[in-house]
Amino acid sequence: DAKTTQPNSMESNEEEPVHLPCNHSTISGTDYIHWYRQLPSQGPEYVIHGLTSNVNNRMASLAIAEDRKSSTLILHRATLRDAAVYYCLGSARQLTFGSGTQLTVLP
Amino acid sequence: GAVVSQHPSRVICKSGTSVKIECRSLDFQATTMFWYRQFPKQSLMLMATSNEGSKATYEQGVEKDKFLINHASLTLSTLTVTSAHPEDSSFYICSAPWGTELYEQYFGPGTRLTVT
Repeated sequence: DAKTTQPNSMESNEEEPVHLPCNHSTISGTDYIHWYRQLPSQGPEYVIHGLTSNVNNRMASLAIAEDRKSSTLILHRATLRDAAVYYCLGSARQLTFGSGTQLTVLP
Repeated sequence: GAVVSQHPSRVICKSGTSVKIECRSLDFQATTMFWYRQFPKQSLMLMATSNEGSKATYEQGVEKDKFLINHASLTLSTLTVTSAHPEDSSFYICSAPWGTELYEQYFGPGTRLTVT
């Protein structure tokens, strides 16, 4: 599994965009990049995944660097409910979680 | 999206007893499920991979005789913590892959185990 590096914490103001970075320089060519988030005392929630092209869904966008060594999760308008720990993972079906980024959304 | 449930959501047991935690995929079949453990303020740690119809695969350092996993059907996996001790107190979470390429993992809500 690819080792990922994320900032420990980030802050954002409500209704502003948030860009959460992730470095995964050891990712293999066939491994997808996954993003999950976890609220306190809950199981993680799937956010998005991608391989090479940028991806969009109703929750977020995923921008993947051309060399695939990094990616950015984009929340277009942060809400208070987006406050969570965001995990970036690079692996096949088996997920190895790093320490993630604690996102705080300020009203 | 897919739904995964866990039961119970929280359990308190006495040291030396066994506790069973169920993980169910409610609207899809899962030949594989994963079990994680999460201590306070820490990330999830993969414990084992549960395989329907065959033995579970355990991660290094996880005692298979202590954490018994049974994948009885395509929608149910159980984790039994045997002879529980206070250090087994943790948040246990299961997940199941979903989607056309099985790359999306859906997680259960977790089970809070407290061993007294």
